[in-house]
Amino acid sequence: DTGVSQDPRHKITKRGQNVTFRCDPISEHNRLYWYRQTLGQGPEFLTYFQNEAQLEKSRLLSDRFSAERPKGSFSTLEIQRTEQGDSAMYLCASSPRASGRFTSYNEQFFGPGTRLTVL
Amino acid sequence: QKEVEQDPGPLSVPEGAIVSLNCTYSNSAFQYFMWYRQYSRKGPELLMYTYSSGNKEDGRFTAQVDKSSKYISLFIRDSQPSDSATYLCAMMPGAQKLVFGQGTRLTINP
Repeated sequence: DTGVSQDPRHKITKRGQNVTFRCDPISEHNRLYWYRQTLGQGPEFLTYFQNEAQLEKSRLLSDRFSAERPKGSFSTLEIQRTEQGDSAMYLCASSPRASGRFTSYNEQFFGPGTRLTVL
Repeated sequence: QKEVEQDPGPLSVPEGAIVSLNCTYSNSAFQYFMWYRQYSRKGPELLMYTYSSGNKEDGRFTAQVDKSSKYISLFIRDSQPSDSATYLCAMMPGAQKLVFGQGTRLTINP
């Protein structure tokens, strides 16, 4: 399977604990995005990377959240001192670099998500 | 007011019906428009992608964009029970973040 993969798929943690999620984008995709989705809502943008550079962060990304993409390949999203309000599905997406090979380089392809439950 | 408005439904139609899903938006800078399908507890799956105004057809799916009215639509012909899912519209001004609607929950009854 050559799609976006995320690990773990489910995470249950106690309030105050730290959690880390991993995303592996589609190979050759240089842009990687993180979104958060709560029940009954559409995904909301958190942050995105072009290669290893983090280019934009949402106001939703408090200082308890940090994302990295150290070598421009996989990315991690860490939440420190989790709160019950952090319970959500965390989605990762990737899109390809602009080139003649792709008919559209703005299409974003999503992974299956990591469902976080904070007790 | 949200940048993208989408009726959350739920919408229930009989098998074989034509389904019409719609979104309105307020940001005139949006240029790229997408429709995603999301099954329960899964990630969104890209269905249709359009740039600027016009129509695009792919099998039983047709996407329409009317930038003058800030209105986009997705039509599903000959709907099947397997089309039952939540449909999300999404849009963006450029190679940046997607802004999603709330999603419409669709059920196709056999």
